[in-house]
Formats: sequence, structure tokens, C-alpha cells
Amino acid sequence: QTVVTQEPSLTVSPGGTVTLTCASSTGAVTSDYHPNWFQQKPGQAPRSLIYSTSNKRSWTPARFSGSLLGGKAALTLAGVQPEDEADYYCLLLYGGAWFFGGGTKVTVL
Amino acid sequence: QVQLVQSGTEVKKPGASVKVSCKASGYASRSYGIHWVRQAPGQRLEWMGWIDVGSGDRKISEKFQDRVTVTWDTSASTAYMELSSLRSEDTAVYYCGREIYHSGTLDYWGQGILVTVSS
Repeated sequence: QTVVTQEPSLTVSPGGTVTLTCASSTGAVTSDYHPNWFQQKPGQAPRSLIYSTSNKRSWTPARFSGSLLGGKAALTLAGVQPEDEADYYCLLLYGGAWFFGGGTKVTVL
Repeated sequence: QVQLVQSGTEVKKPGASVKVSCKASGYASRSYGIHWVRQAPGQRLEWMGWIDVGSGDRKISEKFQDRVTVTWDTSASTAYMELSSLRSEDTAVYYCGREIYHSGTLDYWGQGILVTVSS
């Protein structure tokens, strides 16, 4: 069973920059895994931010960007705003199945 | 606009089955799939399975292969997910999400359904 690992929590100051990563137990994450990033706030459904490694939705703020970094998928928030405080989940596609990471709780403080 | 509207809260006893629905609207093409994802309290999102509404192709996560059935009613534009042999660990919010053109992503999500399994 594929295990997808994210940092459990990260804290960032308003206006700062933070990078979340997403690793796979199968090895290096590549674009073939179609990395996705979702934002989830309490009591809400997840919201898609990034798909296919680095593609943004029409509603994705410009301060969010996706990439591959050192064998992992990465989500960078540059110029963090208070409303970015949320849980962030990555999703990897592998072997015809979909696997979510454990989520990263981003605190803006 | 695209909307996925899910049915209401369910409370079930252990051993029972639950069938939840997801009505799709605002998109005329049938080139999409509906995925089912659940989230137990305080836990990660967990992918359960998928159905292609155009072809009827489906795939279920290995974890749920013997307990989950996904279907699509074309006349109602509604997807269903049935989970059998319920146990307390199945208490979770169940979401549906849309994947267009085998794009490998979920662009729109339903609001979620809380399923509580308790004796």
C-alpha cells in the first residue's frame, strides 16, 4: 500500500513564505504521479488549488505555486495571508489508484 | 455552474449498509468521472473509488473492494456509493468529487455527508 507523507504542521508569519512537501513510499515523486494540492478549512469540503504538479485553478491565488523538489511534490505559499490558515492535502496517482497525504496544518502566526 | 449536491446525514447500526448520493448539475458533457473520498474525524482524506459516468468503468480502492459499490443513474445525473458491513471506524464525512476527461484531478466537490455508525 502506497503511503504519502506530508509535514504534520508548519507555522508561518503573515507575509512570509512556506513550502509544504509530499513524499511517496514508492520513491521519487515525478509528474507521472499528477501531484494535486487541496486546501481544507474547518467544516468545509476540500478545495482544489494545484493539479498536475503546477497548474493552478482559476480561483487559485497567485501566491500559491506547485513544483517538484528533491524527489517530492511541493506547494509554496509566498506572501502568506491570514486566510491561508488551513489544512493542505496532497494527492498522488499511482498504479491506477489515488493516494492522499496525511495533511499539513498551516498556522499563520 | 458545476455543482455536486449530496444527500443528508445518515445514522446506521454496525453491520448495516448505507447508500449515499451525489447529484451532478451544470455540465452537459458525460466525459467525467465521480470519485468518492471519505474523512474520518480528525483524519486524512481517503480515496475510496471512482466511476466513469460515460462508460460505466469503475475502480475501487483495494481497501474497500469487498464492501463498496459505486453506480451512476444517467436519468437522474446522480452517482451513488454503497458501503456495506458498516463498523464504527466507517464513521466519517463522505465526499464526492468530479474528475473531467481523466485529468487526474478533482475540480469540484460535493458538500459532504456525515455517516455515523453507532449501536
